[in-house]
Amino acid sequence: EAEVAQSPRYKITEKSQAVAFWCDPISGHATLYWYRQILGQGPELLVQFQDESVVDDSQLPKDRFSAERLKGVDSTLKIQPAELGDSAMYLCASSPNGGLRSTEAFFGQGTRLTVV
Amino acid sequence: EDKVVQSPLSLVVHEGDTVTLNCSYEVTNFRSLLWYKQEKKAPTFLFMLTSSGIEKKSGRLSSILDKKELSSILNITATQTGDSAIYLCAVFSGNTGKLIFGQGTTLQVKP
Repeated sequence: EAEVAQSPRYKITEKSQAVAFWCDPISGHATLYWYRQILGQGPELLVQFQDESVVDDSQLPKDRFSAERLKGVDSTLKIQPAELGDSAMYLCASSPNGGLRSTEAFFGQGTRLTVV
Repeated sequence: EDKVVQSPLSLVVHEGDTVTLNCSYEVTNFRSLLWYKQEKKAPTFLFMLTSSGIEKKSGRLSSILDKKELSSILNITATQTGDSAIYLCAVFSGNTGKLIFGQGTTLQVKP
């Protein structure tokens, strides 16, 4: 069964260091989402891609976060420099359709980031 | 601003009880409503509800979409300890397919 792949599963980093997460969506899925989930809260959308284009990054802290999906397939989310408040689960999801046809989304296993 | 609100935020029941979780939404151009179960890892998909499919059932879980009231409920009958998890409601909205989540309901089922 096709899955959304994420790596690493766990990451511990010191504050002010750079950290990167990788996501490979289900093959053929046009839409890719990055979410941040703080313990006890629902996922918060950071960035949404439709193919290689950013559709929504209104909640992405652009002074320290960046995201790319250069070939419209896999994606990388980077934080530089990391802060203690960035400790959270970072989730990637993909959807087969986009825009007006969006109806379902599938999640990867997530990357749990701890900033010390 | 689009939003999804879940209630209650947390719930403690005993095995065998029936629970009802609520989700209400205010979004532009509603497309679908999704329910997920999250244990100590990524969310796993439960149900998708759309205008053409407003009621879904799988075993002890069922869900209904009320488009008039802009809400959905998730029912779990004869709860088991394995049902303990965070239940997330999400809605696809707008012309861009934005997927917005509620805060989640944390369910604890005691033996």
